[in-house]
Amino acid sequence: GAVVSQHPSRVICKSGTSVKIECRSLDFQATTMFWYRQFPKQSLMLMATSNEGSKATYEQGVEKDKFLINHASLTLSTLTVTSAHPEDSSFYICSAPSSWSTDTQYFGPGTRLTVL
Amino acid sequence: DAKTTQPTSMDCAEGRAANLPCNHSTISGNEYVYWYRQIHSQGPQYIIHGLKNNETNEMASLIITEDRKSSTLILPHATLRDTAVYYCIVRLHSGGGADGLTFGKGTHLIIQP
Repeated sequence: GAVVSQHPSRVICKSGTSVKIECRSLDFQATTMFWYRQFPKQSLMLMATSNEGSKATYEQGVEKDKFLINHASLTLSTLTVTSAHPEDSSFYICSAPSSWSTDTQYFGPGTRLTVL
Repeated sequence: DAKTTQPTSMDCAEGRAANLPCNHSTISGNEYVYWYRQIHSQGPQYIIHGLKNNETNEMASLIITEDRKSSTLILPHATLRDTAVYYCIVRLHSGGGADGLTFGKGTHLIIQP
C-alpha cells in the first residue's frame, strides 16, 4: 500500500513559537493532501485540504492565518502552527489519496504537538 | 455523506471472529461503505470498502445487507493487534479522492487474551 510519512513524530514547544509539520507521500504523488486534528479521546476532525500549486481550503472554524499550509510539490505538504498556544496541543495527522486508487486515503503516523 | 451509527465499544476473544456492526439507514444509491481503523496513537488505516456486494481482502470481510441500510465488518481471527477504534464511513466513490473524511466516534474493539 501507499506510504505517507510525517515529521516530526513528536514536538514540544513554548507558547508563542511556530511549529512546522511535514507530510510526505513516499511512493506516490499526491496533488491533494488532507490535514486532521485529534484531541484526546475524540475523533479526527478535518482541518483543511492542501492542494498542490494552489491555496489550501479550510474547514469552517479553522483559522487559515494560524494554520498555514504549503503544498509545494507533489509529494510534500507542510502545516505550520503559528504562535502556538496550549490549546493547540493535539495530534495532527495528514492523509493523501493514492494516485492509483482515489477511493482510499492513506494516513501518516501523526505528530503529537505539546505547547507549554 | 450519510450518517452512521456504531456501538461505542465491543470485546472479542483472541482467535475468534470479531463482527462490528454499522447502521447507515440514510445511505444513498451511489454512496459506498468504507471502514478504517485507528490503533492507539497512530494514524488511521484503510481496511475495506464496498457498494452492495460483499467484499473480502486480506484484512477483513464486509457484509452489506440487501437494503444497504447496515453492514458488518468481520475480522475472521482477531489478534491482540486488532485492538483499535474502527470507523464506518459512508461517502461517495471517487469524488472520494478530492474530499477529506468525516469520522464519527467509531467502535472501540478490545481483543481479550
